[in-house]
Amino acid sequence: SYVLTQPPSVSVAPGQTARITCGGNNIGSKSVHWYQQKPGQAPVLVVYDDSDRPSGIPERFSGSNSGNTATLTISRVEAGDEADYYCQVWDSSSDHNYVFGTGTKVTVL
Amino acid sequence: EVQLVESGGGLVQPGGSLRLSCAASGFTFSSYWMHWVRQAPGKGLVWVSRINSDGSSTSYADSVKGRFTISRDNAKNTLYLQMNSLRAEDTAVYYCARRCSSTSCYDYWGQGTLVTVSS
Repeated sequence: SYVLTQPPSVSVAPGQTARITCGGNNIGSKSVHWYQQKPGQAPVLVVYDDSDRPSGIPERFSGSNSGNTATLTISRVEAGDEADYYCQVWDSSSDHNYVFGTGTKVTVL
Repeated sequence: EVQLVESGGGLVQPGGSLRLSCAASGFTFSSYWMHWVRQAPGKGLVWVSRINSDGSSTSYADSVKGRFTISRDNAKNTLYLQMNSLRAEDTAVYYCARRCSSTSCYDYWGQGTLVTVSS
């Protein structure tokens, strides 16, 4: 089955830039989606189809995808961005391959 | 406003059964594929099952195949997950999620319902 690997944690100072990677075999050929999850809350979609943002999501959230790595970038990080972040793809090789990454805890210092 | 509200979670003994419900409102329920995603305590998100818009096609993760059944009632705007032969490893918060209309993301999630399998 398809595997998505994320770093367990990323630390960033307020106002700086956080980059969260999502590694997968030839992930650049797939559409990657990103979710933010705060403690005790449901996930929220922050980026879809590699780099598009749903309405209401700040422009500070952006995404890219190429080769074997997709990246979620959070610019001008705020305290409210502290959360777990998950990447997700649908692997077309199997009908039931809706795959989530291992998750990354973003800590704002 | 789109809303998804899960119910039916609780404490159940190993080998027992439980049926989860997800009441949808604020959108045309019958037009969307719906999914169940779960999250064990302190762990990551795991896809469980999906159903197409008219209920004619379903799919399951290998870990629940043969034990869980997803269904929907479009007249009642409700999604279901029948869970049988429950195991300790099924303990998790179960979320229903709406699949995006034109791609494979999830644009709306319920608040989740906790299922605890323990004797």
